[in-house]
Formats: sequence, structure tokens, C-alpha cells
Amino acid sequence: GNSVTQMEGPVTLSEEAFLTINCTYTATGYPSLFWYVQYPGEGLQLLLKATKADDKGSNKGFEATYRKETTSFHLEKGSVQVSDSAVYFCALSDGGYNKLIFGAGTRLAVHP
Amino acid sequence: EAGVAQSPRYKIIEKRQSVAFWCNPISGHATLYWYQQILGQGPKLLIQFQNNGVVDDSQLPKDRFSAERLKGVDSTLKIQPAKLEDSAVYLCASSPATGLAPGTGELFFGEGSRLTVL
Repeated sequence: GNSVTQMEGPVTLSEEAFLTINCTYTATGYPSLFWYVQYPGEGLQLLLKATKADDKGSNKGFEATYRKETTSFHLEKGSVQVSDSAVYFCALSDGGYNKLIFGAGTRLAVHP
Repeated sequence: EAGVAQSPRYKIIEKRQSVAFWCNPISGHATLYWYQQILGQGPKLLIQFQNNGVVDDSQLPKDRFSAERLKGVDSTLKIQPAKLEDSAVYLCASSPATGLAPGTGELFFGEGSRLTVL
């Protein structure tokens, strides 16, 4: 079945460092891909998405490109801030009705 | 706009007891989801409703879990009897998406209900 694999955390960075969180997927067909973020004490919220190959999703300085050839959707940010500390989940759509399959999540901790 | 409301936020019970979680989705959202998030894992879909009909409950352990969405608005998830492995955060989410066509993928999540089974 469809699945998502994320790099294990935690990822610990200093402020202004470059961030990459790897995500690869297994799917039949051409799913849409998403990154969700969970800040401390809050619910998950959509960060960005891409619906077809070579699409780039972006939001709040984060970017991810849908790479069909490598079945990847890595999350990047050029300069992280302390406020980016959160858990990041990669997900893919599985059929209709907005059904999502999530990866295990990667915790990011950014220090001043 | 009010978000997805869930209660209780925390619940501690002993194994073999029962527990119920309540969810009030965003007004007007047709689709409602219950996810289970075990510590260190990503959310796993338990059941998905569109209005008051079940779209997908293939991963719901039906011998102990039940869920309903009366009148297509609020929803309740029940566990009876609880097992140790049911300790998790139960997330409710809603989406305006309807029909079989893939939606935007944006689900709106509540803060979750954390269950500890002793």
C-alpha cells in the first residue's frame, strides 16, 4: 500500500542554519504531497503542498519540490528561526475524500 | 472562525474501562476524520465520515472502537474495552471536501485528546 518515510529526528540546528528534512513516498498513481507542521501545544496545520510532478510548494520560507523520478518531497528552508521549532509531517493523498497518509514526523529544535 | 473542538484534552483510564471522545468540526465542513497518533508515529486514519455516512473505516478495530456522526455535525469516538496499546492522542480533523474527487488536501485538526491506559 501507499506509505511515507521521513528522516528520523530530532534535528537540532542553530538559528539561521539551512534545513533539510527528507521525505520519500511509495504510491500507485500520482498522489498529491503535503507537509504539515505541529507547533507545541497546537494542532497539525498545513504548511505547503504540491499536486503534480515538478510542482514546488512554498510557505513561510519553506519549500518542497515534488520529484517523481526519486519519489521524494524534501522540505527545505534557507534560514531557520527559533519559532520554526515544531514537528513536521510529510503526507500523501490516498484516493478521494482528502484521505491522507502521514509519515512518522520529524522534530526540529532550533537554538538561538 | 472557530476551529475544530475536541474534548476531553486528557483522559487516564484503566484497561478494560471505556472512554468516549467528542469532536465538533468547523461549521459547514462535510468531511470528518478520526486519527490515532501513537507516540513517535504519524497519525493513522481510524474512520472518515462524509456528512453522517462512513466513507472509510477499514483501519478501525471494530471489536472495541466505534464512532458516529449524528446529523452530520458532531462526532463521538468510543473505545470499549480499552487496552494498553490504545494509549495515544486521538485527533479529529475536518475538511470542506466532498465527493470522490481529490480535494485540496487541507485538513483542519483539533488539538487532540490524549488517552493513557494503565
